[in-house]
Amino acid sequence: KAGVTQTPRYLIKTRGQQVTLSCSPISGHRSVSWYQQTPGQGLQFLFEYFSETQRNKGNFPGRFSGRQFSNSRSEMNVSTLELGDSALYLCASSSLEGGSNYGYTFGSGTRLTVV
Amino acid sequence: QKEVEQNSGPLSVPEGAIASLNCTYSDRGSQSFFWYRQYSGKSPELIMSIYSNGDKEDGRFTAQLNKASQYVSLLIRDSQPSDSATYLCAGNNAGNMLTFGGGTRLMVKP
Repeated sequence: KAGVTQTPRYLIKTRGQQVTLSCSPISGHRSVSWYQQTPGQGLQFLFEYFSETQRNKGNFPGRFSGRQFSNSRSEMNVSTLELGDSALYLCASSSLEGGSNYGYTFGSGTRLTVV
Repeated sequence: QKEVEQNSGPLSVPEGAIASLNCTYSDRGSQSFFWYRQYSGKSPELIMSIYSNGDKEDGRFTAQLNKASQYVSLLIRDSQPSDSATYLCAGNNAGNMLTFGGGTRLMVKP
């Protein structure tokens, strides 16, 4: 069973640009969440999607957005990049069988560097 | 602010010893808890989940949950150098949003 696939693995962007990151969840998983990990702030929740609907959103500015497609694949977009957006962006998928959460499986992440 | 707190460590234990990792949480609405292991430069890997008070054992790992005290712990028996990593505790509320602690760095010395 394939795991969570994130592309690209590495990105270097310039301040002011925008970036789109992609995530393919484990087959059959309908919940996809995005997290930002930095050395100073640790792992912080960005947003969660389920069946193409954003159900939860973390405390991030509106420059951070996302969407989920009918095949559960998800993308997140960051516009007007700032140096502080440099981080490891992690996507995680979950099976919500029976309404319970058996834990999220993380992808390998996309390391974004803003210069 | 709903938080999950962990001692950042490093926690150093000799090979073969029991490593005890602890975590406290402030959100009484959290229903389930997870322990993730993260090696340097890698993504977090789920190693244990626990939903009800008491102990849950899986191989060398035992997770403990005490909802009254808002306390979660992870015991690693017969610690191996390959267990050296950062261990992240996370709580899950009804909104299916994981709140992570800052992680505890474990070092197992041969």
